[in-house]
Amino acid sequence: NAGVMQNPRHLVRRRGQEARLRCSPMKGHSHVYWYRQLPEEGLKFMVYLQKENIIDESGMPKERFSAEFPKEGPSILRIQQVVRGDSAAYFCASSPGTESSGNTIYFGEGSWLTVV
Amino acid sequence: DAKTTQPPSMDCAEGRAANLPCNHSTISGNEYVYWYRQIHSQGPQYIIHGLKNNETNEMASLIITEDRKSSTLILPHATLRDTAVYYCIVRVTGGGADGLTFGKGTHLIIQP
Repeated sequence: NAGVMQNPRHLVRRRGQEARLRCSPMKGHSHVYWYRQLPEEGLKFMVYLQKENIIDESGMPKERFSAEFPKEGPSILRIQQVVRGDSAAYFCASSPGTESSGNTIYFGEGSWLTVV
Repeated sequence: DAKTTQPPSMDCAEGRAANLPCNHSTISGNEYVYWYRQIHSQGPQYIIHGLKNNETNEMASLIITEDRKSSTLILPHATLRDTAVYYCIVRVTGGGADGLTFGKGTHLIIQP
């Protein structure tokens, strides 16, 4: 059973470009979460999505950041007009969304964004 | 979600049991205790979770006190690869549940 798959694992963007990070949840999981970890800091919740719905985006910056989880295909975290402060590791996680197995959340290995 | 308190760091000798404490005195009756760890430059790894009873799996054991105000994660035979930051998180699960709120965790260092 494949885990949470994220790509690209490493991404370099120049200031002002767009970054797109993709996440395929574990098989059978319908809930996706995105977290950000700045260098030498803790994990911060960004957004929680179900298929075609954003459930909680309280951790998303108000500008330049957006997330989607379409009916078909992976979840995408999009960062427009990147700045150096966006350099971080972005982790995607998924869960079944039901009470089965305690609705445990599993994480991917992360996408490391570097803005130059 | 209820807050948790963990020591910032701990050392343990290789081959010995590592016992990581966590206080969650404001935990609600429907909140589970979850443990994750993050090895440097990797994604958080799920370890174990429990509600009231003690739990054991291939990675660790979780001991929850009867009043549920604290718990201990036990790694029975620590190896160098267990060096990581360990996070104790309390969370309501089920349909419509939110995500995980990570604190600072405990940096466990396994000494050779």
